Amino acid sequence: QLQLQESGPGLVKPSETLSLTCTVSGGSISSSSYYWGWIRQPPGKGLEWIGSIYYSGSTYYNPSLKSRVTISVDTSKNQFSLKLSSVTAADTAVYYCARHAIFGVVIIDYWGQGTLVTVSS
Amino acid sequence: DIQMTQSPSSLSASVGDRVTITCRASQSISSYLNWYQQKPGKAPKLLIYAASSLQSGVPSRFSGSGSGTDFTLTISSLQPEDFATYYCQQSYSTSMYTFGQGTKLEIK
Repeated sequence: QLQLQESGPGLVKPSETLSLTCTVSGGSISSSSYYWGWIRQPPGKGLEWIGSIYYSGSTYYNPSLKSRVTISVDTSKNQFSLKLSSVTAADTAVYYCARHAIFGVVIIDYWGQGTLVTVSS
Repeated sequence: DIQMTQSPSSLSASVGDRVTITCRASQSISSYLNWYQQKPGKAPKLLIYAASSLQSGVPSRFSGSGSGTDFTLTISSLQPEDFATYYCQQSYSTSMYTFGQGTKLEIK
């Protein structure tokens, strides 16, 4: 059974960089059938897709966040990571890592449990 | 960017009711439309993909239809465990997967 687990600081100061890692277990991050991505949800609000990465390192980012986001992959550790720079209170959210499966359409079929990141001094 | 608009934003219904939620795309997305269910404190769960295909393990009371710009999610007979928030999501744009704003389904 595939599992994804987010890890990282739960509190980040304004203007600093938010860093999260997703560890994938029960499957290989190097499979050609999947992308690996990040989605966030501010408290009481809807879902916002942040971006995704292929095991080869190809990345896709939400244009509204592109200037601040970097997603990277470490196939040796079966992990991928998110960095979001220059954070503000508006970046406070539950951050989910998720698998994007590719088979004609792209579906988000496995999600981590989510981790709350609060931006505050 | 492709925008996704759901209606209604919230909905009150009773157990046993038939419920329909609508999702409209700002441009044609063919059938590249997925539906997710989210319960409080939990990650979203995939219900329907490619507009009308039922994800494995999802009860058959859930169904999806539509293509182009207009899509619907129907729950044929509401069960207590179906009260949740539902999101549509387009996967037509390979560089940006947009979600709708969500529809909160509450008990009447």
